[in-house]
Amino acid sequence: DTAVSQTPKYLVTQMGNDKSIKCEQNLGHDTMYWYKQDSKKFLKIMFSYNNKELIINETVPNRFSPKSPDKAHLNLHINSLELGDSAVYFCAASETGTLTGYTFGSGTRLTVV
Amino acid sequence: DQQVKQNSPSLSVQEGRISILNCDYTNSMFDYFLWYKKYPAEGPTFLISISSIKDKNEDGRFTVFLNKSAKHLSLHIVPSQPGDSAVYFCAASSMTTDSWGKLQFGAGTQVVVTP
Repeated sequence: DTAVSQTPKYLVTQMGNDKSIKCEQNLGHDTMYWYKQDSKKFLKIMFSYNNKELIINETVPNRFSPKSPDKAHLNLHINSLELGDSAVYFCAASETGTLTGYTFGSGTRLTVV
Repeated sequence: DQQVKQNSPSLSVQEGRISILNCDYTNSMFDYFLWYKKYPAEGPTFLISISSIKDKNEDGRFTVFLNKSAKHLSLHIVPSQPGDSAVYFCAASSMTTDSWGKLQFGAGTQVVVTP
């Protein structure tokens, strides 16, 4: 039973489309994150939610909107996709106040054509 | 501006020998450091961590050393095993309230352990 699961695993879409990536965790953790791994392989934080409340919002285009319907889910919606959005997106979850309990999902490879 | 740097993109080591991975950081506010291991098509998994009040932390075959004055940390794997072949990411965080939970990652080092 996967602790942090993301869907879809692969997503190929055309420029200008709107797409969503879903993330669910069954660890009971309070905090969830979205990270982006770009072509240079750096993992960069995008958003963090704690108990459905946005607590970290890095400088990302406002075309990216996270949504947390409950503390077990954190979805990422992207409007008007651009070529530069192509990357691997990782969801993660952790207990509040701990970094060692950070658990990542297996990633969603988004390709914008 | 990349605050965590792993300058060696790859490392090849023989099975049984020591693997030494290096990481440098620029932000003096970082006070907690972690190493993650990543296999292809999987997410990173936590390996070992160290807080800035220590200079060494050991867990089985894995030891992390921290040199705060040099803003440098290293991960030693001894002995290296074929299953250690993976990408290793160094990450850093600050325990200040507004930065808590925000990990800054390096670009990773691909380790290949040869028989």
